[in-house]
Amino acid sequence: DAGITQSPRHKVTETGTPVTLRCHQTENHRYMYWYRQDPGHGLRLIHYSYGVKDTDKGEVSDGYSVSRSKTEDFLLTLESATSSQTSVYFCAISEETGAGGGYTFGSGTRLTVV
Amino acid sequence: DQQVKQNSPSLSVQEGRISILNCDYTNSMFDYFLWYKKYPAEGPTFLISISSIKDKNEDGRFTVFLNKSAKHLSLHIVPSQPGDSAVYFCAASSRGGAQKLVFGQGTRLTINP
Repeated sequence: DAGITQSPRHKVTETGTPVTLRCHQTENHRYMYWYRQDPGHGLRLIHYSYGVKDTDKGEVSDGYSVSRSKTEDFLLTLESATSSQTSVYFCAISEETGAGGGYTFGSGTRLTVV
Repeated sequence: DQQVKQNSPSLSVQEGRISILNCDYTNSMFDYFLWYKKYPAEGPTFLISISSIKDKNEDGRFTVFLNKSAKHLSLHIVPSQPGDSAVYFCAASSRGGAQKLVFGQGTRLTINP
């Protein structure tokens, strides 16, 4: 039941290069989120979207930008990758709050910046 | 400034016994709390949640307790099974709008046969 997919699943890139990660949903949910997971930090919110072309920053947004031109797609771009952005990136979707189930997460993208 | 804290990085429990995972929070505006379970190479999956108007919520083997005065919640798993071995994250949010979840650092639970 892959209602949310992330691509690529793995990527190795060089310092200073731009990188774009894609999140695609088939659930028609309004809200989409990008998190990063790092040891000792859990999951931290990078950016989120509350509709087409409507996005806002999370707690660790520096060095990242996002775009949402269609309901189903939410792109995360690292303008100039740094080693500190080596991480596992998760996309998530949710309906309006109050549904009780929180987010549905994708399977993640493991990004290594060398 | 960690608003949601899980102070135990790991926990080891014997199969059939009770597993208790703990979580503390600092933000009084949080009014909705969730637990997620994560296996390696997979995304987190929702396990159970609780609203701040309740102090307990049960779902099968899983029970979440909320102590608002202490700003503390716990997840009880009984009986523990080998398939429960995973990383557990607690998360908190304020209701309404984009439901931006704030996560703890996670606790790795290992169930020993």
